[in-house]
Amino acid sequence: GQQLNQSPQSMFIQEGEDVSMNCTSSSIFNTWLWYKQDPGEGPVLLIALYKAGELTSNGRLTAQFGITRKDSFLNISASIPSDVGIYFCAGQLGNTPLVFGKGTRLSVIA
Amino acid sequence: GAGVSQSPSNKVTEKGKDVELRCDPISGHTALYWYRQSLGQGLEFLIYFQGNSAPDKSGLPSDRFSAERTGGSVSTLTIQRTQQEDSAVYLCASSFSPGLAGEETQYFGPGTRLLVL
Repeated sequence: GQQLNQSPQSMFIQEGEDVSMNCTSSSIFNTWLWYKQDPGEGPVLLIALYKAGELTSNGRLTAQFGITRKDSFLNISASIPSDVGIYFCAGQLGNTPLVFGKGTRLSVIA
Repeated sequence: GAGVSQSPSNKVTEKGKDVELRCDPISGHTALYWYRQSLGQGLEFLIYFQGNSAPDKSGLPSDRFSAERTGGSVSTLTIQRTQQEDSAVYLCASSFSPGLAGEETQYFGPGTRLLVL
């Protein structure tokens, strides 16, 4: 099935550093979502974006819905150990199944 | 409030056996989705239920996979004659019906980890 191109696949960073990851698609979406998945858990929604160009923050997280509707990025500022996990982007067109990226595995070194 | 729940949390079965996985969506959510997550991969769409409409089965990988949703609430995903490649985490999500932005947001359960030996 269709998948988004998510990068990087993995990151190893020092505690306190900022993190950036992104997703691109060959087709447009009208919703972009960012989820985080901890081991043994289901994905948890972090940020939802509904409008092209929208920039939304949730604490130390900031995400943007690309103006072309084909991309999105997620930034995490001042990373902490509990940021460890797998981050997934997902695109959606209407009330349809989500199309997911393959995830970015984040490791934070204290 | 209660989130999406799934059972069992883990299932080990022998190749060729049938398995049933259960999902209880968030109360009031009319849309229900099943996804599959293989090791190190993103989530792969399987099937989608919306209200009383016919389900979207376009993601089911073979006719060994089926799902039903009784009474517009609980859903069961059935895998017949399981194969080793069926081993994965099966995730269920639910959402409100289409409408204002935000109502389509899908909330996930913890998943069922299936291992076929």
